[in-house]
Amino acid sequence: EAGVAQSPRYKIIEKRQSVAFWCNPISGHATLYWYQQILGQGPKLLIQFQNNGVVDDSQLPKDRFSAERLKGVDSTLKIQPAKLEDSAVYLCASSFYRTVYNEQFFGPGTRLTVL
Amino acid sequence: DQQVKQNSPSLSVQEGRISILNCDYTNSMFDYFLWYKKYPAEGPTFLISISSIKDKNEDGRFTVFLNKSAKHLSLHIVPSQPGDSAVYFCAARGETSGSRLTFGEGTQLTVNP
Repeated sequence: EAGVAQSPRYKIIEKRQSVAFWCNPISGHATLYWYQQILGQGPKLLIQFQNNGVVDDSQLPKDRFSAERLKGVDSTLKIQPAKLEDSAVYLCASSFYRTVYNEQFFGPGTRLTVL
Repeated sequence: DQQVKQNSPSLSVQEGRISILNCDYTNSMFDYFLWYKKYPAEGPTFLISISSIKDKNEDGRFTVFLNKSAKHLSLHIVPSQPGDSAVYFCAARGETSGSRLTFGEGTQLTVNP
């Protein structure tokens, strides 16, 4: 079974530039999550989708971050414009059901460096 | 507001000995706890979990203990192996937070041959 795919793996941009990350979840997984992991901290949930609808985006900085999940499969996360403090690893995860009793499967992440 | 804390950034043990990783939480509404393991350049992988109605769950070399009165959980690895060297994250879910997980900062475990 293929795992969660993410691209790119690494990205370096200047502050105020825009950047987009892509995620392809495990086939059949209806729930998709985007996390931000700053160095030395645990992952923090940014947004959760159930199929193509948003379930939880309470921790998403909506003035600069946006995400979509068209057709309930792939998802993109965008930052526009980027700030220095956005330097982090962005992790995508998916799960079969919405409840966490079915554990979340994580992709390898995209490491973003904002200069 | 750090609701899940792992106070030890690192832990070093000898191969064959027991590794004990600790996690404290403050939110009494958390009802499910998980441990994830993370190798460099990879995403976290699920290791073991425990519901708040239990105080122990065991899976092979891994055992998680939950002390609700102390709001404390621990992961025991016996015997420890060099391949267990990784960052371990404790995570918790609340009854009212849907499936959102709150993660601790992680503990780097190093198992020396």
